[in-house]
Amino acid sequence: AQSVTQLGSHVSVSEGALVLLRCNYSSSVPPYLFWYVQYPNQGLQLLLKYTTGATLVKGINGFEAEFKKSETSFHLTKPSAHMSDAAEYFCAVSDSGGNNRLAFGKGNQVVVIP
Amino acid sequence: GAGVSQTPSNKVTEKGKYVELRCDPISGHTALYWYRQSLGQGPEFLIYFQGTGAADDSGLPNDRFFAVRPEGSVSTLKIQRTERGDSAVYLCASSSARPDTQYFGPGTRLTVL
Repeated sequence: AQSVTQLGSHVSVSEGALVLLRCNYSSSVPPYLFWYVQYPNQGLQLLLKYTTGATLVKGINGFEAEFKKSETSFHLTKPSAHMSDAAEYFCAVSDSGGNNRLAFGKGNQVVVIP
Repeated sequence: GAGVSQTPSNKVTEKGKYVELRCDPISGHTALYWYRQSLGQGPEFLIYFQGTGAADDSGLPNDRFFAVRPEGSVSTLKIQRTERGDSAVYLCASSSARPDTQYFGPGTRLTVL
């Protein structure tokens, strides 16, 4: 079974500073990895995903993430935080072997300080 | 185009009652998923449909929970004899193919008093 660990439920970042959200996964088969963002009173929206190929993936709103198999990680970054980045972010994993279910981490609530 | 829609957006019920939650997936999406999100937690998988059949229902917590998708489009999650611990946001998602993106609806917030 797959699982995801996201440490630090609340993350504060200054406007203009680097955003770094850590995600480590566990999977017995090659994983598919996702980052979703959830704004207040809205549904989950995909930021980016890794399935195969290039390990550095770029998503919407200037976010990117790098799949590192040796570290079982898929950390999310954005060079310069904007006030509109305040939201909850979830890392998720599914396996490439046939099971479609997503296993989510507990999420990171990002607060952007002006 | 229209996204995934869920009705009702909020449902308040009393312990022991029966509830139905509805999901309308994106048109043409063959795969449909239900998740449950408790306060302060990430979504947890409940059940996955491919077409009309439940391909994986291993996430349903017990036999009070049941879901159907009779025509391969709209799905209904049914909860019998609701308990206070069932209070959560129930999320529905759909996708067109693996490993395609799962598109989520806004959720139904269920409160069991």
